[in-house]
Amino acid sequence: GAVVSQHPSWVICKSGTSVKIECRSLDFQATTMFWYRQFPKQSLMLMATSNEGSKATYEQGVEKDKFLINHASLTLSTLTVTSAHPEDSSFYICSAFGRPNTEAFFGQGTRLTVV
Amino acid sequence: GENVEQHPSTLSVQEGDSAVIKCTYSDSASNYFPWYKQELGKRPQLIIDIRSNVGEKKDQRIAVTLNKTAKHFSLHITETQPEDSAVYFCAASINNAGNMLTFGGGTRLMVKP
Repeated sequence: GAVVSQHPSWVICKSGTSVKIECRSLDFQATTMFWYRQFPKQSLMLMATSNEGSKATYEQGVEKDKFLINHASLTLSTLTVTSAHPEDSSFYICSAFGRPNTEAFFGQGTRLTVV
Repeated sequence: GENVEQHPSTLSVQEGDSAVIKCTYSDSASNYFPWYKQELGKRPQLIIDIRSNVGEKKDQRIAVTLNKTAKHFSLHITETQPEDSAVYFCAASINNAGNMLTFGGGTRLMVKP
């Protein structure tokens, strides 16, 4: 299958700082990228959808000014958690979709811990 | 929007037994139903999927059935092995592809040796 690489795989940051997470499609052009958040023992909750060159579409309840998403190229999307707080601690996973694939492929996830 | 319910939330079986996980969806326009396996701290991996023009699909020990009328689909794992232990998620999409997925709540499967 196609390869989606997400970095970092884990990060610890102090409250009030910002953290950037990268999601790259290595062998295909990702016209659409999705960002999910997964709390322990819970399901994947879609945060936002981004199409290359367009502003991201955020799901209800997700603060767009807190979770900044940039999809500047067909192979890279970034999620920046701004002014992080302990309650933002979670597992963040991206997925990328683009032709000729008929499924979205997931990155390996980023475990964010805010202390 | 779409709502996907998944049951049971936990399932414990003896090695060699079968495991069945069921999901229901709300949006009759949904036409793509993948199943993912997620091991602790790792990315979800697609294990099998089915589209709305098919009622059943099988891949070795794994099968999925779809009932469009009732709006439910199920994952069947036969001859379970300890390495099948993981969290399984069903999902539904209206785009006939693996984007715009709505996930079920997950099922933690434990296969006892």
